[in-house]
Amino acid sequence: DTGVSQDPRHKITKRGQNVTFRCDPISEHNRLYWYRQTLGQGPEFLTYFQNEAQLEKSRLLSDRFSAERPKGSFSTLEIQRTEQGDSAMYLCASSDRSYNEQFFGPGTRLTVL
Amino acid sequence: GQNIDQPTEMTATEGAIVQINCTYQTSGFNGLFWYQQHAGEAPTFLSYNVLDGLEEKGRFSSFLSRSKGYSYLLLKELQMKDSASYLCAVKNDYKLSFGAGTTVTVRA
Repeated sequence: DTGVSQDPRHKITKRGQNVTFRCDPISEHNRLYWYRQTLGQGPEFLTYFQNEAQLEKSRLLSDRFSAERPKGSFSTLEIQRTEQGDSAMYLCASSDRSYNEQFFGPGTRLTVL
Repeated sequence: GQNIDQPTEMTATEGAIVQINCTYQTSGFNGLFWYQQHAGEAPTFLSYNVLDGLEEKGRFSSFLSRSKGYSYLLLKELQMKDSASYLCAVKNDYKLSFGAGTTVTVRA
């Protein structure tokens, strides 16, 4: 399977703990996106990478959130000092510069107790 | 800002046709996407419109009117597996802004 993969698929953590999620995009895609989706809503844009450069961060991404894409391949999203409001599905997507379509991964569902 | 509206829920019978409308007011426009999302799964691409008119893809068609800020997704010959959420998304440069989604329930 050469689609977008995310790990873990599910994460349950206690409030105040740090969590890190990983996304592996489609190999030839140089653009990578993170979105967050809560129940009954569409995905909301969080941040965007072109190769290893983070070109935009949404205002939704507070100082507790940090994302990296160190070698322009996989990406990580870290949430520090998690809060119950961080509970959501975190989706990663990738695209090639010649395509408009963004291909989504299966998501990481985060539950903060 | 981005404002993308679509109905919350629709119900239709197997074999029928359903039309999901989407209206948008956005600060930029580089195309409109429709995605299908089954419960607990990732969105999957259905269609893309950048010019006005109708795009047909098998049982699914999508229409765009940029002057009216309006699109619709037409699902024909509905099947039970089409029960899902359908997301309208506007592309502005590289970023997608999504509506809240329309949950379609197909009844036997």
